[in-house]
Amino acid sequence: KNQVEQSPQSLIILEGKNCTLQCNYTVSPFSNLRWYKQDTGRGPVSLTIMTFSENTKSNGRYTATLDADTKQSSLHITASQLSDSASYICVVSVDNAGNMLTFGGGTRLMVKP
Amino acid sequence: DGGITQSPKYLFRKEGQNVTLSCEQNLNHDAMYWYRQDPGQGLRLIYYSQIVNDFQKGDIAEGYSVSREKKESFPLTVTSAQKNPTAFYLCASSIRQLRHNQPQHFGDGTRLSIL
Repeated sequence: KNQVEQSPQSLIILEGKNCTLQCNYTVSPFSNLRWYKQDTGRGPVSLTIMTFSENTKSNGRYTATLDADTKQSSLHITASQLSDSASYICVVSVDNAGNMLTFGGGTRLMVKP
Repeated sequence: DGGITQSPKYLFRKEGQNVTLSCEQNLNHDAMYWYRQDPGQGLRLIYYSQIVNDFQKGDIAEGYSVSREKKESFPLTVTSAQKNPTAFYLCASSIRQLRHNQPQHFGDGTRLSIL
């Protein structure tokens, strides 16, 4: 069964600090891995998309890494800001003829002043 | 600005009632999707459509119905057969099938509750 597990479930950090969110998946065959940011009461917004051959991808202060051998990904947030408070969702795409995405349950990040 | 518009933002359903959630996009995207989001769980696919007049069931289609009569519109009906409809419903679109590594663009959701 295709699964995406994220850790931690929730995290509180102080403004200006860095943090790393984890994503482990058991999806096969793998096509790509996506990280989304979802503000409370809003729809998710795409941060990064990485294919099998990509190890890292950055979007401003957000840097995602992918280890396809161990089926792990991480999202690193540098110099956190209050606006980073949101849920971060890891999504893995299955390489088949359909539109199958497997969503993780998300990590809820709170940045405090 | 281009984007996806979902309405209403909040919706209440009475016992035995069907309700319809609206989703409109002006991104000229071919593919559209409906997801359900429950607290602490990942998004689950209800229905998706890759082209006008065609749609496919997702993982949790029972109790829901859709139509795709126009490229820009993909309404979702939550029928009385859906016994646990309380959730946050998200509509999304993309240029084409996701295997081509295209990002999905999401609307801001409709929160459905039972009266």
